[in-house]
Amino acid sequence: DAEITQSPRHKITETGRQVTLACHQTWNHNNMFWYRQDLGHGLRLIHYSYGVQDTNKGEVSDGYSVSRSNTEDLPLTLESAASSQTSVYFCASSEKLAGPYEQYFGPGTRLTVT
Amino acid sequence: GQNIDQPTEMTATEGAIVQINCTYQTSGFNGLFWYQQHAGEAPTFLSYNVLDGLEEKGRFSSFLSRSKGYSYLLLKELQMKDSASYLCAVLDSNYQLIWGAGTKLIIKP
Repeated sequence: DAEITQSPRHKITETGRQVTLACHQTWNHNNMFWYRQDLGHGLRLIHYSYGVQDTNKGEVSDGYSVSRSNTEDLPLTLESAASSQTSVYFCASSEKLAGPYEQYFGPGTRLTVT
Repeated sequence: GQNIDQPTEMTATEGAIVQINCTYQTSGFNGLFWYQQHAGEAPTFLSYNVLDGLEEKGRFSSFLSRSKGYSYLLLKELQMKDSASYLCAVLDSNYQLIWGAGTKLIIKP
């Protein structure tokens, strides 16, 4: 069965360190997204990609970067981790943007920056 | 700015019916989604509305009024496993999903 996975599931890091969160999907979807979820807020879009070599900034992209070298993977890098980046991070993918095409979510990565 | 409002928390009784409302103001509209999210888990898709009216799917129904910027999710015959957060999201003119903060639904026996 197709799936979307994230690793690690939990991560504790120190302020100023670089951190990379992995996202891998076997749906063969062109569209991939990274969100963060914090109490009291809806999911907020960090970066997204519509295909290989395509990346775009979302609503809360400062301090984050992504790269898309193949269809399956969209790693998210925190260049210099800050305490404000403590959050739960979800990766998602979808077949199409328009119409009743749901986004499929990975299980999430809980990141704590100390 | 773009805004989606839904109640923070609701409580209902097992076996009853509950309606979760969502109002939105977004830059364009290309559809509205409802997702369910159990604590500590990923969101999962429940329903999609793009035209006015009611979409029924088993115990769950979703309604949309585009002129009023309003939707609701109706859950019937509530079960304990329905205890979760319910997320409303609108696909805007750029085909990006704008998410509400979610409604935590507590089911009591």
